[in-house]
Amino acid sequence: EDKVVQSPLSLVVHEGDTVTLNCSYEVTNFRSLLWYKQEKKAPTFLFMLTSSGIEKKSGRLSSILDKKELFSILNITATQTGDSAVYLCAANQGAQKLVFGQGTRLTINP
Amino acid sequence: SQTIHQWPATLVQPVGSPLSLECTVEGTSNPNLYWYRQAAGRGLQLLFYSVGIGQISSEVPQNLSASRPQDRQFILSSKKLLLSDSGFYLCAWSRPTYNEQFFGPGTRLTVL
Repeated sequence: EDKVVQSPLSLVVHEGDTVTLNCSYEVTNFRSLLWYKQEKKAPTFLFMLTSSGIEKKSGRLSSILDKKELFSILNITATQTGDSAVYLCAANQGAQKLVFGQGTRLTINP
Repeated sequence: SQTIHQWPATLVQPVGSPLSLECTVEGTSNPNLYWYRQAAGRGLQLLFYSVGIGQISSEVPQNLSASRPQDRQFILSSKKLLLSDSGFYLCAWSRPTYNEQFFGPGTRLTVL
Protein backbone atom coordinates (compact mmCIF):
# COMPACT_ATOMS: atom_id res chain seq x y z
CA GLU A 1 0.00 0.00 0.00
CA ASP A 2 1.30 3.45 -0.90
CA LYS A 3 1.99 5.56 2.17
CA VAL A 4 3.62 8.78 3.28
CA VAL A 5 4.44 9.27 6.97
CA GLN A 6 5.37 12.58 8.55
CA SER A 7 6.99 13.19 11.91
CA PRO A 8 6.55 14.66 14.36
CA LEU A 9 2.78 15.07 14.14
CA SER A 10 2.97 18.16 16.30
CA LEU A 11 5.79 20.49 17.29
CA VAL A 12 5.86 23.57 19.52
CA VAL A 13 8.95 25.79 19.57
CA HIS A 14 9.94 29.34 20.43
CA GLU A 15 10.41 32.09 17.92
CA GLY A 16 13.96 32.05 16.59
CA ASP A 17 14.42 28.29 16.93
CA THR A 18 15.31 26.03 14.00
CA VAL A 19 13.02 23.12 13.20
CA THR A 20 13.33 20.00 11.06
CA LEU A 21 10.25 18.25 9.74
CA ASN A 22 10.48 14.70 8.43
CA CYS A 23 8.71 12.87 5.64
CA SER A 24 9.21 9.22 4.65
CA TYR A 25 7.49 7.60 1.73
CA GLU A 26 6.78 4.25 0.16
CA VAL A 27 4.93 4.67 -3.12
CA THR A 28 5.01 2.89 -6.44
CA ASN A 29 6.29 4.80 -9.49
CA PHE A 30 7.72 7.60 -7.38
CA ARG A 31 8.39 10.75 -9.39
CA SER A 32 8.83 13.63 -6.96
CA LEU A 33 8.26 14.86 -3.41
CA LEU A 34 6.28 18.02 -2.71
CA TRP A 35 5.96 20.18 0.39
CA TYR A 36 2.96 22.40 1.17
CA LYS A 37 2.11 24.86 3.94
CA GLN A 38 -1.50 24.92 5.14
CA GLU A 39 -2.47 27.78 7.42
CA LYS A 40 -6.23 27.99 7.51
CA LYS A 41 -7.62 26.79 4.23
CA ALA A 42 -5.82 26.06 0.99
CA PRO A 43 -2.37 24.41 1.11
CA THR A 44 0.21 26.61 -0.60
CA PHE A 45 3.04 25.09 -2.60
CA LEU A 46 6.56 25.33 -1.13
CA PHE A 47 8.93 22.95 -2.92
CA MET A 48 9.11 20.10 -5.37
CA LEU A 49 12.10 17.75 -5.16
CA THR A 50 13.00 15.27 -7.85
CA SER A 51 16.71 14.61 -7.38
CA SER A 52 18.55 13.20 -4.39
CA GLY A 53 20.93 15.37 -2.45
CA ILE A 54 20.10 18.67 -4.11
CA GLU A 55 18.88 21.21 -1.59
CA LYS A 56 16.12 23.59 -2.54
CA LYS A 57 16.02 26.86 -0.66
CA SER A 58 13.57 29.71 -0.30
CA GLY A 59 14.44 32.29 2.31
CA ARG A 60 14.55 30.59 5.70
CA LEU A 61 13.07 27.35 4.34
CA SER A 62 15.07 24.57 2.75
CA SER A 63 14.40 20.99 1.79
CA ILE A 64 16.30 17.96 0.57
CA LEU A 65 15.38 14.53 -0.76
CA ASP A 66 17.07 11.16 -0.21
CA LYS A 67 15.76 8.71 -2.81
CA LYS A 68 17.87 5.85 -1.48
CA GLU A 69 16.49 6.05 2.05
CA LEU A 70 13.08 7.29 0.83
CA PHE A 71 12.73 10.42 2.93
CA SER A 72 12.78 14.17 2.79
CA ILE A 73 13.28 16.89 5.38
CA LEU A 74 12.05 20.44 5.56
CA ASN A 75 14.14 22.87 7.59
CA ILE A 76 13.01 26.23 8.84
CA THR A 77 15.62 28.49 10.45
CA ALA A 78 15.03 31.53 12.66
CA THR A 79 11.35 30.64 12.96
CA GLN A 80 8.71 33.35 13.18
CA THR A 81 5.12 33.24 14.45
CA GLY A 82 3.98 33.43 10.83
CA ASP A 83 5.55 30.03 10.23
CA SER A 84 2.86 28.44 12.41
CA ALA A 85 0.90 26.11 10.14
CA VAL A 86 0.39 22.50 9.16
CA TYR A 87 3.14 21.33 6.81
CA LEU A 88 2.17 18.61 4.37
CA CYS A 89 4.40 16.47 2.25
CA ALA A 90 3.17 14.50 -0.74
CA ALA A 91 4.73 11.90 -3.00
CA ASN A 92 3.93 12.08 -6.69
CA GLN A 93 3.51 8.68 -8.26
CA GLY A 94 2.84 9.56 -11.84
CA ALA A 95 -0.38 10.52 -13.63
CA GLN A 96 -0.30 13.58 -11.41
CA LYS A 97 -1.35 11.51 -8.39
CA LEU A 98 -0.22 12.82 -5.03
CA VAL A 99 -0.18 10.69 -1.89
CA PHE A 100 -0.21 12.97 1.15
CA GLY A 101 1.15 12.47 4.64
CA GLN A 102 -0.95 13.35 7.66
CA GLY A 103 0.88 16.61 8.22
CA THR A 104 2.98 18.18 10.96
CA ARG A 105 1.31 20.91 13.00
CA LEU A 106 3.99 23.49 13.81
CA THR A 107 3.33 26.13 16.47
CA ILE A 108 5.77 28.98 16.99
CA ASN A 109 5.40 30.77 20.32
CA PRO A 110 6.64 34.36 20.67
CA SER B 1 -2.17 34.58 -13.57
CA GLN B 2 -4.24 31.58 -12.63
CA THR B 3 -6.90 31.52 -9.94
CA ILE B 4 -9.09 28.77 -8.60
CA HIS B 5 -12.49 29.29 -7.03
CA GLN B 6 -14.62 27.03 -4.89
CA TRP B 7 -18.08 27.52 -3.48
CA PRO B 8 -19.69 27.47 -1.14
CA ALA B 9 -17.09 28.11 1.55
CA THR B 10 -19.14 26.34 4.22
CA LEU B 11 -22.15 24.09 4.04
CA VAL B 12 -24.32 22.33 6.61
CA GLN B 13 -26.55 19.64 5.21
CA PRO B 14 -28.84 16.98 6.70
CA VAL B 15 -28.16 13.29 6.19
CA GLY B 16 -29.82 12.06 3.02
CA SER B 17 -29.80 15.41 1.24
CA PRO B 18 -28.02 15.97 -2.11
CA LEU B 19 -24.73 17.78 -2.56
CA SER B 20 -23.16 19.88 -5.28
CA LEU B 21 -19.80 21.60 -4.84
CA GLU B 22 -18.35 23.61 -7.66
CA CYS B 23 -14.80 24.47 -8.62
CA THR B 24 -13.65 26.70 -11.48
CA VAL B 25 -10.19 27.66 -12.70
CA GLU B 26 -9.28 30.86 -14.53
CA GLY B 27 -6.22 31.83 -16.51
CA THR B 28 -5.27 28.44 -17.92
CA SER B 29 -6.63 25.94 -20.40
CA ASN B 30 -6.89 22.14 -20.33
CA PRO B 31 -5.83 21.83 -16.68
CA ASN B 32 -5.84 18.60 -14.74
CA LEU B 33 -8.43 18.92 -11.97
CA TYR B 34 -8.66 17.16 -8.62
CA TRP B 35 -11.03 16.73 -5.67
CA TYR B 36 -9.55 15.95 -2.26
CA ARG B 37 -11.11 15.43 1.16
CA GLN B 38 -9.32 16.29 4.37
CA ALA B 39 -10.67 14.84 7.61
CA ALA B 40 -9.91 16.69 10.84
CA GLY B 41 -6.22 16.36 11.71
CA ARG B 42 -5.51 14.22 8.69
CA GLY B 43 -3.77 14.57 5.36
CA LEU B 44 -5.49 14.95 2.03
CA GLN B 45 -7.19 11.99 0.38
CA LEU B 46 -7.56 12.10 -3.40
CA LEU B 47 -11.17 11.42 -4.40
CA PHE B 48 -11.30 12.13 -8.15
CA TYR B 49 -9.13 13.55 -10.87
CA SER B 50 -9.81 14.59 -14.45
CA VAL B 51 -7.49 15.14 -17.40
CA GLY B 52 -10.19 16.50 -19.73
CA ILE B 53 -13.86 17.23 -20.27
CA GLY B 54 -15.97 14.22 -19.37
CA GLN B 55 -12.94 12.21 -18.20
CA ILE B 56 -13.16 11.27 -14.52
CA SER B 57 -11.00 8.84 -12.55
CA SER B 58 -12.20 7.73 -9.15
CA GLU B 59 -9.63 6.87 -6.54
CA VAL B 60 -11.80 5.76 -3.64
CA PRO B 61 -15.14 3.95 -3.81
CA GLN B 62 -17.68 6.07 -2.01
CA ASN B 63 -20.94 7.92 -1.91
CA LEU B 64 -19.68 10.76 -4.12
CA SER B 65 -19.35 11.39 -7.84
CA ALA B 66 -17.61 14.01 -9.96
CA SER B 67 -18.26 15.60 -13.32
CA ARG B 68 -16.39 17.95 -15.63
CA PRO B 69 -18.93 19.58 -17.94
CA GLN B 70 -16.52 22.29 -19.14
CA ASP B 71 -12.75 22.56 -19.48
CA ARG B 72 -12.27 24.61 -16.32
CA GLN B 73 -15.22 23.43 -14.24
CA PHE B 74 -15.23 20.50 -11.85
CA ILE B 75 -18.24 19.46 -9.79
CA LEU B 76 -18.47 17.12 -6.81
CA SER B 77 -21.89 15.61 -6.14
CA SER B 78 -23.81 13.22 -4.01
CA LYS B 79 -27.39 12.04 -4.25
CA LYS B 80 -27.69 11.26 -0.54
CA LEU B 81 -25.18 12.50 2.00
CA LEU B 82 -23.90 10.34 4.86
CA LEU B 83 -22.53 11.49 8.20
CA SER B 84 -19.13 10.20 7.09
CA ASP B 85 -19.12 12.66 4.17
CA SER B 86 -18.36 15.53 6.57
CA GLY B 87 -14.97 17.09 5.99
CA PHE B 88 -12.98 19.77 4.22
CA TYR B 89 -13.17 19.43 0.45
CA LEU B 90 -10.40 20.90 -1.65
CA CYS B 91 -10.25 21.33 -5.39
CA ALA B 92 -6.87 21.60 -7.10
CA TRP B 93 -5.48 22.08 -10.58
CA SER B 94 -2.20 21.36 -12.32
CA ARG B 95 -0.74 21.84 -15.76
CA PRO B 96 -0.99 18.58 -17.71
CA THR B 97 2.66 17.53 -17.53
CA TYR B 98 3.65 19.17 -14.25
CA ASN B 99 3.55 17.68 -10.77
CA GLU B 100 2.76 20.82 -8.79
CA GLN B 101 -0.86 21.11 -7.81
CA PHE B 102 -2.47 24.37 -6.71
CA PHE B 103 -5.38 24.38 -4.33
CA GLY B 104 -8.60 26.32 -4.01
CA PRO B 105 -9.87 27.79 -0.72
CA GLY B 106 -11.92 24.69 0.14
CA THR B 107 -15.45 23.92 1.28
CA ARG B 108 -16.13 22.83 4.85
CA LEU B 109 -19.04 20.39 4.77
CA THR B 110 -20.87 19.32 7.90
CA VAL B 111 -23.49 16.60 7.60
CA LEU B 112 -25.88 16.43 10.55
